[in-house]
Amino acid sequence: SQKIEQNSEALNIQEGKTATLTCNYTNYSPAYLQWYRQDPGRGPVFLLLIRENEKEKRKERLKVTFDTTLKQSLFHITASQPADSATYLCALDPSGGTYKYIFGTGTRLKVLA
Amino acid sequence: NAGVTQTPKFQVLKTGQSMTLQCAQDMNHEYMSWYRQDPGMGLRLIHYSVGAGITDQGEVPNGYNVSRSTTEDFPLRLLSAAPSQTSVYFCASTSTDTQYFGPGTRLTVL
Repeated sequence: SQKIEQNSEALNIQEGKTATLTCNYTNYSPAYLQWYRQDPGRGPVFLLLIRENEKEKRKERLKVTFDTTLKQSLFHITASQPADSATYLCALDPSGGTYKYIFGTGTRLKVLA
Repeated sequence: NAGVTQTPKFQVLKTGQSMTLQCAQDMNHEYMSWYRQDPGMGLRLIHYSVGAGITDQGEVPNGYNVSRSTTEDFPLRLLSAAPSQTSVYFCASTSTDTQYFGPGTRLTVL
């Protein structure tokens, strides 16, 4: 069964709009959750980490929220640009500190000019 | 800093052949790991190491061996390749809850 769920369908949005990607998990109580960007043919690149005691975290045009009650993280890209087009992955460490990460399957984002 | 490097970038094997995927990092990280990425499956952990001389199994370890003789290197060995091992393989090193990935090796087993 899928342990971390991300919308497997591609998300198409218009340039300048805000993209919102969802990461839902079950059966875990992670101390933090990570978001990565992956371009075709390349390895994932770390973007943001949010801890369980943080409701929200921002980095430039990126914003991540973490709701441990809903077991959900939302990833927002504001003022999206075509260069933001990529696959975005969420990941968590289910055992806390063991670094045995579990990844979602990713959501492919396409920003239309 | 080169970060995490992987060789080769592409490889085609016949069923039953063996090979080693190389991974090296120059960030002095203790923790390293190997993943495979398949369509619709996401990244799955194969093996990981918490330091030189210490390795352990991840989610999908069957058919793969690893060793860690130095902090820098973490090779992944396929002893007898099978078509089910056709995948893209990523090596990563971890520090302060952040993973740094290599560029990947695309392996095809015929």
